[in-house]
Amino acid sequence: GENVEQHPSTLSVQEGDSAVIKCTYSDSASNYFPWYKQELGKRPRLIIDIRSNVGEKKDQRIAVTLNKTAKHFSLHITETQPEDSAVYFCAASTGGGSNYKLTFGKGTLLTVNP
Amino acid sequence: DVKVTQSSRYLVKRTGEKVFLECVQDMDHENMFWYRQDPGLGLRLIYFSYDVKMKEKGDIPEGYSVSREKKERFSLILESASTNQTSMYLCASSLWGSGANVLTFGAGSRLTVL
Repeated sequence: GENVEQHPSTLSVQEGDSAVIKCTYSDSASNYFPWYKQELGKRPRLIIDIRSNVGEKKDQRIAVTLNKTAKHFSLHITETQPEDSAVYFCAASTGGGSNYKLTFGKGTLLTVNP
Repeated sequence: DVKVTQSSRYLVKRTGEKVFLECVQDMDHENMFWYRQDPGLGLRLIYFSYDVKMKEKGDIPEGYSVSREKKERFSLILESASTNQTSMYLCASSLWGSGANVLTFGAGSRLTVL
């Protein structure tokens, strides 16, 4: 089955710096790659996603890049702010309907120091 | 406007007890999921259901069962709770179809087994 590796497990940056979180996946059939953010004590929520036919996607200060050949994708956060502090999960999805499968990475705890 | 509701936020049970975790969604979603969240291990899929009375095993189904008698409700059952099932349990739902669907999570149920 799919295996998603996420690095680093913890990341500490100064406010205003950039942060990059990287994930690799094993199943070449994976075709959808979402990122979820979980603030302390709250539920995970989707912040950005990318499909396999797209190489990069941006939404204000966050962007995701995908390299299908190398089977890795990354989350980039620019001009970090204290409210960006959270655990971030990458995931990879295959199939649909009864064959749907979404596998998460183990998470990255991002701390933005003011 | 809470859309995925988990009935119990905190539960304390004893080893060997039968435990029911309930999840209700009001978005008319076809897919429903149960994940387990442990520090350093990320989100691991226990079971998911893509239709009423249908269920598929996830990555860690051992020791768990599920029930989906109505579209809006998905229950996780621990037949005989054990201490290694102490964890945060997250329910989620999404639309049917391709794998590129956004998961909406509940607030979580923190289970402690003594």
